[in-house]
Amino acid sequence: DTGVSQDPRHKITKRGQNVTFRCDPISEHNRLYWYRQTLGQGPEFLTYFQNEAQLEKSRLLSDRFSAERPKGSFSTLEIQRTEQGDSAMYLCASTGGSSSGNTIYFGEGSWLTVV
Amino acid sequence: SQQGEEDPQALSIQEGENATMNCSYKTSINNLQWYRQNSGRGLVHLILIRSNEREKHSGRLRVTLDTSKKSSSLLITASRAADTASYFCATDTTASKLTFGTGTRLQVTL
Repeated sequence: DTGVSQDPRHKITKRGQNVTFRCDPISEHNRLYWYRQTLGQGPEFLTYFQNEAQLEKSRLLSDRFSAERPKGSFSTLEIQRTEQGDSAMYLCASTGGSSSGNTIYFGEGSWLTVV
Repeated sequence: SQQGEEDPQALSIQEGENATMNCSYKTSINNLQWYRQNSGRGLVHLILIRSNEREKHSGRLRVTLDTSKKSSSLLITASRAADTASYFCATDTTASKLTFGTGTRLQVTL
């Protein structure tokens, strides 16, 4: 078990471009979360999957954002037509399965810089 | 929106001293979790305390929970330079979705 894995760790993109982040949760975990964190702030919830079903989306998740978890394993977060305000760290987390209880485990995050 | 508020926002202590951070929240919770975050890195889970628990220990960490006051505290004893990080409390209300506070930045100097 290697923990929650996120890729890429850093992404610099020009305004207007699309970017996609990938998250591989801990293998037995059925719940997967995306959070966003800006400098000096705590993480803010974006969306949540139970297996492949997206059960909740924050109002922070504008229509330029889309998240998928097609087979209930890895997930992708795509941001279309990026804006400078999208610059942040995007964190993925997972939980569920027999060993985690209610503990939610986070990945190292994907830093996005929009120039 | 942020549910929890940590206090203080920043704390500077010397190695060997104890560090206490407080967290207040607004709504009823299932559990409360504390995380550490080193600069530019992801969140590391420290400890989970359930709503029916009052105190929990893990190594040099001691967490208390007072649901009547909607508050929690994290005590780090005998601090080390490696404890320098931001510490966040996060409350679990529904569907195990965590809501985070703004964090306490801890600086431990030699």
